[in-house]
Amino acid sequence: DAEITQSPRHKITETGRQVTLACHQTWNHNNMFWYRQDLGHGLRLIHYSYGVQDTNKGEVSDGYSVSRSNTEDLPLTLESAASSQTSVYFCASSDPLVGEDTQYFGPGTRLTVL
Amino acid sequence: AQTVTQSQPEMSVQEAETVTLSCTYDTSENNYYLFWYKQPPSRQMILVIRQEAYKQQNATENRFSVNFQKAAKSFSLKISDSQLGDTAMYFCAFMKHEGGGADGLTFGKGTHLIIQP
Repeated sequence: DAEITQSPRHKITETGRQVTLACHQTWNHNNMFWYRQDLGHGLRLIHYSYGVQDTNKGEVSDGYSVSRSNTEDLPLTLESAASSQTSVYFCASSDPLVGEDTQYFGPGTRLTVL
Repeated sequence: AQTVTQSQPEMSVQEAETVTLSCTYDTSENNYYLFWYKQPPSRQMILVIRQEAYKQQNATENRFSVNFQKAAKSFSLKISDSQLGDTAMYFCAFMKHEGGGADGLTFGKGTHLIIQP
């Protein structure tokens, strides 16, 4: 079955380190998204991509970057992790061009920055 | 920019009762989608129901139905015959239709629903 996976599921890192969170989907969806979830804020959009080589900033993009070298993967990089980036991170995908407007989510990655 | 407001941080009902979760939104868009997602303790985000703004008929999925009032910008979720497995956080979300919604979802802050045995 097609799916969307995230790794690692849990990560503890130190302030200032570079961290990369992986997202992989097998639906062949063109659109991919990264959100963060914090208490009292719901989910907020970090970055998104319409397809290969395309990336766009979302509402809370400072301190994060993404790259899209193929359809299946959209890794999220924290260049220099900060305590304020402790959060749960969700990846999602969709493809309106094939009638799939709904976004489907991965299981999430809990990141702790000490 | 869009905003989504869920005014009930937490609700608690008895099993088998009917419960309604409220959601209001603000937008200048005319074409959009609205969603309810469920997040159980496993943390997985699960689509419950979706509504296209151009459709007047309210969406229904088994025990879940919505009351979509476009003019009032209201999108409430009704859960009938509630079950213990319905215990979860519920998020209301908005997505523009233009561009295929590729600029992402705007979420409310969520309602924690507890179903008591």
